[in-house]
Formats: sequence, C-alpha cells, structure tokens
Amino acid sequence: EVQVVESGGGLVQPGGSLRLSCAVSGFSFSSNWMTWVRQAPGKGLEWVANIKPDGSEKYYVESVKGRFTISRDNAKNSLYLQMNSLRAEDTAMYYCATGGYSSVWWGQGTLVTVSS
Amino acid sequence: QSALTQPASVSGSPGQSITISCTGSSSDVGGYKYVSWYQQHPGKAPKLMIYEVSNRPSGVPDRFSGSKSANTASLTISGLQAGDEAEYYCSSYTTNTFLVFGGGTKLTVL
Repeated sequence: EVQVVESGGGLVQPGGSLRLSCAVSGFSFSSNWMTWVRQAPGKGLEWVANIKPDGSEKYYVESVKGRFTISRDNAKNSLYLQMNSLRAEDTAMYYCATGGYSSVWWGQGTLVTVSS
Repeated sequence: QSALTQPASVSGSPGQSITISCTGSSSDVGGYKYVSWYQQHPGKAPKLMIYEVSNRPSGVPDRFSGSKSANTASLTISGLQAGDEAEYYCSSYTTNTFLVFGGGTKLTVL
C-alpha cells in the first residue's frame, strides 16, 4: 500500500521560514518525479513545484521562485520543500504528490498559515 | 501564469451525463497530451480520474471519460451518481512553467 505523509506545517510570521517534509512508502520513490501542490482556504489547486527522480531538474510556479526550494533524499524516500520569506498569500494546505505530469498518490496535506 | 479556464459550476440529475470543459492554449492543453483531471471532495485530497487526456487509472469507473479538441479538454461523466458531487480540476503541462491547474468546477447532482 502506498502511503504519502506530509509534515512540518504550522503557524509562521510573515518573512519567516518553514521546511515541509513528505515521507513516501510502498512506492518506487527514486524512479519517479515528485510534486508539491497547494490549496489556499476555499480556493482551487495550485501547482507549486516538482523535481526529477535524480533531483537534477526542478521547476517552480513563478510566485515562489527564489523563495522556495524543492529537494529530495532518495535514500530516505523523502521529499522536502524549504519555504523562505513567507507571505500571507502562501497560507494554504500543502500537498505532496507522486508523479510529474499527473499524480496518482497524494498525502492528506499539511497546513501552513502565515500570519502575525 | 494564468489558470486554465473551467466553468465555475455544472449540474445534472442522477443517471444523466455532464461534460466539464477546460480551455487553455497551444502552450498547454492544445500542444501536449499531458492533460489530467482530478476529483476533490470537501476536506479530502484530490483523486486522479483521468491522465494523458483520456486514460483512466486503475479503479476509476468507465463512467468517467476524457477527450481533447484543439485547446479545450473535456471530462464527461455518464450515469451521474450522488457520490460524483465534488469539485473537479483539470491540469496540463505548460511550456511556461511546467504544470498549471484549472480554476475548478463544482459539480452538483440534483
């Protein structure tokens, strides 16, 4: 059974930093693209970033470029999202998902709230 | 990066068929086969229903089908059931950034 579990969300002040983690099991993690998607309260899905299996290519939505960094540790079957210079508009549920162009397996999300 | 355009809402009665459209451009929907559709119930994670325009993952009923014409992709649900009531999102590969989602369509089963 595939399991995708995010962690690391919480309340942070504007300008602060947070590191999200995603642990994956029951899935060929090291052979697959991985993706972060977010959803602001009451809003739609927004693709944030994804990363190639070997970590050599990374892509970001324009609004997070230069502030967020996606990374992975294939030895630990884990995906990360380092979020710096956080803004109120980054407040959202952050989902980790398998795949690049489409995502079969999703976690339940971790909530990030940026507020003073 | 603008989201793909979806109708805000659609509705249908049990047993009927509905179609949700997803309009983009030649840089995304029209130019590539990487169009996906997701179903999301309130408070739940999205579920992949269609990938690569018209393929269904294992376990998705064949009542769900996808297609594409020019810059518009479509999701058709036949034999509507109460459990199909949810928000539906399309996504597509895009040359601009990599991936883009539609704004979402709320399906109401009357």
